[in-house]
Amino acid sequence: DQQVKQNSPSLSVQEGRISILNCDYTNSMFDYFLWYKKYPAEGPTFLISISSIKDKNEDGRFTVFLNKSAKHLSLHIVPSQPGDSAVYFCAASNPSGTYKYIFGTGTRLKVLA
Amino acid sequence: SQTIHQWPATLVQPVGSPLSLECTVEGTSNPNLYWYRQAAGRGLQLLFYSVGIGQISSEVPQNLSASRPQDRQFILSSKKLLLSDSGFYLCAWSDIWTSGRVYNEQFFGPGTRLTVL
Repeated sequence: DQQVKQNSPSLSVQEGRISILNCDYTNSMFDYFLWYKKYPAEGPTFLISISSIKDKNEDGRFTVFLNKSAKHLSLHIVPSQPGDSAVYFCAASNPSGTYKYIFGTGTRLKVLA
Repeated sequence: SQTIHQWPATLVQPVGSPLSLECTVEGTSNPNLYWYRQAAGRGLQLLFYSVGIGQISSEVPQNLSASRPQDRQFILSSKKLLLSDSGFYLCAWSDIWTSGRVYNEQFFGPGTRLTVL
């Protein structure tokens, strides 16, 4: 049972345009959401996060939007750059107090120069 | 500052052979530790996590085991590898949960690429 889903395995965007990566979840008890970026043969690195008490968090070119009623979050990258090409994972906090995260399957973003 | 080390970076092992992957964390005390696997075409699957020495929780039934002999050392093992154990193994750490803390970001190591032939 996949509690966190990224239904688009890949996405191609032209340099300078907006990249929108989507993530859906099923557990309404999730209270914290994160996006990680992963390059090949490297560990994921933290990108941006959002608490369930907010609906938007912005950090430079990266903005995460949370729609709790739809159980949906998205990551916007504006403007997209070739260096943004990577696999992006969304993750949701399992509210058990142990800080386990449930990761999605990832979306491979390719930014075309 | 905190750092996390994993080794080896790559490993090719025959089916039926044993496995030992090691992860160590520096610059922090009593971290939560995690082992994940990223199989081809799949996301990050949590295999084990540990909230203290000797305390291991398994997330999925499998051919692997984990141990935490020291505070900042986490080991992933198998007595006999299967073909399906191939994948990219990631160790991660986070601070322990404390009252009032909203979240604990997880920090990942560089990973080990395991190929079982």
